[in-house]
Amino acid sequence: GAGVSQSPSNKVTEKGKDVELRCDPISGHTALYWYRQSLGQGLEFLIYFQGNSAPDKSGLPSDRFSAERTGGSVSTLTIQRTQQEDSAVYLCASSSGRPRGGNTIYFGEGSWLTVV
Amino acid sequence: AQKVTQAQTEISVVEKEDVTLDCVYETRDTTYYLFWYKQPPSGELVFLIRRNSFDEQNEISGRYSWNFQKSTSSFNFTITASQVVDSAVYFCALPNSGYALNFGKGTSLLVTP
Repeated sequence: GAGVSQSPSNKVTEKGKDVELRCDPISGHTALYWYRQSLGQGLEFLIYFQGNSAPDKSGLPSDRFSAERTGGSVSTLTIQRTQQEDSAVYLCASSSGRPRGGNTIYFGEGSWLTVV
Repeated sequence: AQKVTQAQTEISVVEKEDVTLDCVYETRDTTYYLFWYKQPPSGELVFLIRRNSFDEQNEISGRYSWNFQKSTSSFNFTITASQVVDSAVYFCALPNSGYALNFGKGTSLLVTP
């Protein structure tokens, strides 16, 4: 499809397990973002990738969270040793440039993570 | 700091009523963009509009309209003749000094028949 694609749509995992969430951005978009949305909460920025530049990891909540982007396209968000407070919707987004420059960020449908 | 405030947490209206969602922002920039997104119950964030601070003309798209006023740092969103399908959480957003968007906490709109 033409939009941002995320998988899995839903994931239930046991506390302490590692999980990987995948994102396939819109073709041609050089910027890729991960956001988190906890139940009833707003949108929390996690990490940003732009082309070959070093990612902006300033929003990652702990060192259990990491992300990589291979070949400037697909990205994987990894959460190690999951905790119950990690339960949230993880939203991936992409854009052709910075929103500060007027570029629109387009979001995927999200990966709903439940840690039990 | 780049900040967005959506003071209305929840709004409930009856179908066909008009409703305005407020967005107030703070920015040190002289030129900037503002965005509105809609998040229906399905969860996906849907882009609605992007506005440049240069252009203070109201924007109208069907039943949706946006009122941008730099003097009051507001970018309000009005839905005319609301419909049940308008029920969603609406987010206003402002780019931060880096590469991302800072979102307000959202306004949950419930339209009942």
